[in-house]
Amino acid sequence: AQSVTQLDSQVPVFEEAPVELRCNYSSSVSVYLFWYVQYPNQGLQLLLKYLSGSTLVKGINGFEAEFNKSQTSFHLRKPSVHISDTAEYFCAVSEANQGGKLIFGQGTELSVKP
Amino acid sequence: NAGVMQNPRHLVRRRGQEARLRCSPMKGHSHVYWYRQLPEEGLKFMVYLQKENIIDESGMPKERFSAEFPKEGPSILRIQQVVRGDSAAYFCASSPQGLTDTQYFGPGTRLTVL
Repeated sequence: AQSVTQLDSQVPVFEEAPVELRCNYSSSVSVYLFWYVQYPNQGLQLLLKYLSGSTLVKGINGFEAEFNKSQTSFHLRKPSVHISDTAEYFCAVSEANQGGKLIFGQGTELSVKP
Repeated sequence: NAGVMQNPRHLVRRRGQEARLRCSPMKGHSHVYWYRQLPEEGLKFMVYLQKENIIDESGMPKERFSAEFPKEGPSILRIQQVVRGDSAAYFCASSPQGLTDTQYFGPGTRLTVL
């Protein structure tokens, strides 16, 4: 069965520093990969997704992620974070034959400090 | 184009009562997904519906929970005889054609069971 592991529950970082949020998944079939952001008391907003093709995916707000099939990882990166990036970040996968339902990781709370 | 709408945003019920959560998908979207977010946990898939049909309900508890997406009107998630463990945030998401289409999330309904 597929599963998603976000290795860090909390990531504190100073403003303008780089950040990496880690995500690993397990699945026996082809997967599609997503990163969502959730601001307090709001729904989720898609940051980026990988379906096929280039393994480096660029998303909104300066975020990017790289799909690594051999390591079954899809880590999210940003070279310089802002205070406004403080939020909860969720990695998710869907399997090719599952109608699009998303399996989410536990989430990583990114806290950007001045 | 209005986003996904959910109402109510907050719902308080006493144990044993019924809870009805509504989700109006984005215009032109005929696929709806429901997810539940328990405190300190990630989102868990519950059910996937297409107009008038339940496609996948593998994440729904076997008892007390039901969902529908009629030809006209919003999708409804119904919880009968609520218990304290049902307290959570319930999110719906819609997409145009399911599968790898981006899912757009509503703001969620926060259910509190007293």
